[in-house]
Amino acid sequence: SQQGEEDPQALSIQEGENATMNCSYKTSINNLQWYRQNSGRGLVHLILIRSNEREKHSGRLRVTLDTSKKSSSLLITASRAADTASYFCATDQRSQGNLIFGKGTKLSVKP
Amino acid sequence: SAVISQKPSRDICQRGTSLTIQCQVDSQVTMMFWYRQQPGQSLTLIATANQGSEATYESGFVIDKFPISRPNLTFSTLTVSNMSPEDSSIYLCSVGGQGAHEKLFFGSGTQLSVL
Repeated sequence: SQQGEEDPQALSIQEGENATMNCSYKTSINNLQWYRQNSGRGLVHLILIRSNEREKHSGRLRVTLDTSKKSSSLLITASRAADTASYFCATDQRSQGNLIFGKGTKLSVKP
Repeated sequence: SAVISQKPSRDICQRGTSLTIQCQVDSQVTMMFWYRQQPGQSLTLIATANQGSEATYESGFVIDKFPISRPNLTFSTLTVSNMSPEDSSIYLCSVGGQGAHEKLFFGSGTQLSVL
């Protein structure tokens, strides 16, 4: 069943601004991952954060995880037009044998 | 890392026909996953394809509708059978990284439209 829920569903910002997307989930997880999808094509893995980690950085990406609130956020700093894409969180749940993807946030970065 | 070649990239099909989607991986992998993404929606796992055994299907998906082949550790096919307009979706194959469910690598997807 679908579990991850991202918000907002859509986000429109200007180049140079920061973009923050949130993900909530319902059950215990082993890890949480963020993926990016350009124009309905294949997904690209961005970052993975484990259940015992609270924050992780990769380039302009910053991910936080709050297991007490069952939520995560993805921050993209100094956004670029090329960051325009849909972003999905996916949880590796302890009770399931596969990744559960959220509904995604559609990010539009205007030059 | 894994590089996945998926084809066709898109197709427009008539109701009642079948389409077979192919995925070729540049390395040997134990499990391959097939996902469906309906328009504007998230990804839903159809099945896990294991080499040497039958695929494991998720709730709501059946082998008669989505037969899967996995003849070796680098290749798999998904067939969408007896298509209807409701099957119009993006179909994606993927493989796992270090762990089966860590850092999935995806093919470029097959955009299917059924008329």
